[in-house]
Amino acid sequence: DQQVKQNSPSLSVQEGRISILNCDYTNSMFDYFLWYKKYPAEGPTFLISISSIKDKNEDGRFTVFLNKSAKHLSLHIVPSQPGDSAVYFCAASAYTGANSKLTFGKGITLSVRP
Amino acid sequence: DSGVTQTPKHLITATGQRVTLRCSPRSGDLSVYWYQQSLDQGLQFLIQYYNGEERAKGNILERFSAQQFPDLHSELNLSSLELGDSALYFCASSVGVARETQYFGPGTRLLVL
Repeated sequence: DQQVKQNSPSLSVQEGRISILNCDYTNSMFDYFLWYKKYPAEGPTFLISISSIKDKNEDGRFTVFLNKSAKHLSLHIVPSQPGDSAVYFCAASAYTGANSKLTFGKGITLSVRP
Repeated sequence: DSGVTQTPKHLITATGQRVTLRCSPRSGDLSVYWYQQSLDQGLQFLIQYYNGEERAKGNILERFSAQQFPDLHSELNLSSLELGDSALYFCASSVGVARETQYFGPGTRLLVL
């Protein structure tokens, strides 16, 4: 049972345009969400996170939006650059106070065309 | 560079064998996590340690075990290896124990022949 779903396996956008990467979750206990970027032969790199008490968090070119009622979040990259081409993972966790287990989606491959 | 180191980078072994993967967390981080990424799969959480104590277990097989040592480095032991254990194994670390941003190492690629 996949609790975090990234339904589109790939996305291709033109340099300078907006990239929108989507993520859905099913577990209503999730209250902390993260996006990671992964290049080949490297480990995932933390990009941005959002807590369920917010609906938007911005960091430079990256903005994450959270719609709790729809159990949906999205990552916006504006403007997209060729160096953004990578696999993007959405991850979620449920606060227990005792641990910090992350549940990941399968990832979306973003290609930014020059 | 996340500051998390993993050794070895690559490992090739045969079915039935046992291997040990090693992870050193970022300086100051007390939590260590292990994840497995198989072909076509996202990262699957295996286990979390915090300051030497096991804190959470995911889909970790009984043939797999882990520990975190007093110097905070961690080892993941995989025994009676099967072909299906071939995967990328990532270690991550964080400062605290809950609702933490995790920082990942470069991974160990395990190939079981």
